[in-house]
Amino acid sequence: NAGVTQTPKFQVLKTGQSMTLQCAQDMNHNSMYWYRQDPGMGLRLIYYSASEGTTDKGEVPNGYNVSRLNKREFSLRLESAAPSQTSVYFCASRVSQGADTEAFFGQGTRLTVV
Amino acid sequence: GESVGLHLPTLSVQEGDNSIINCAYSNSASDYFIWYKQESGKGPQFIIDIRSNMDKRQGQRVTVLLNKTVKHLSLQIAATQPGDSAVYFCAENWGSTGRRALTFGSGTRLQVQP
Repeated sequence: NAGVTQTPKFQVLKTGQSMTLQCAQDMNHNSMYWYRQDPGMGLRLIYYSASEGTTDKGEVPNGYNVSRLNKREFSLRLESAAPSQTSVYFCASRVSQGADTEAFFGQGTRLTVV
Repeated sequence: GESVGLHLPTLSVQEGDNSIINCAYSNSASDYFIWYKQESGKGPQFIIDIRSNMDKRQGQRVTVLLNKTVKHLSLQIAATQPGDSAVYFCAENWGSTGRRALTFGSGTRLQVQP
């Protein structure tokens, strides 16, 4: 049981380049989330998808777009990467946004923008 | 939106002692809370949760206390072990109906001295 899988694990981008971070979960969860974590900081919510077919902005959505491709997959896209987007990105999933249940996290994607 | 914060950025304890990690939350509408543990290079892992209709919940060596009057959450770890060394985050579940998400505080680093 893989849980939440993120790809790639590491990425270096040049300023202005674009890329998509992939996330897939095999737990049949309805809700999925993207967070970023800067050094010595907590996790900040970028975007989330409460259920298949819906997406909402979180605390820090600027510079990002998301796609809930299907129930399993939720991707995060950087259209024009900036050094301020250097961070570790975590994807998470939950049974549903309305249930009092934990979120399961992937291992993270470490992104450096130079 | 309102956010979750922590009182102590770093906590150093001796092996075998009890540890207490504190968290202040500001969103009075939050009704579900989770403590996560994050080891270096890994995603957050669930430790224990508590609903707002409870004051205390116990797990294996861990206890979470919730004081809604002062909006305070704490995590108690009994007989702290070197393997407990990590960063600990509290998270609260908030949002409008159908759009709820977990938001995190900045974290407390727990260092266990042998």
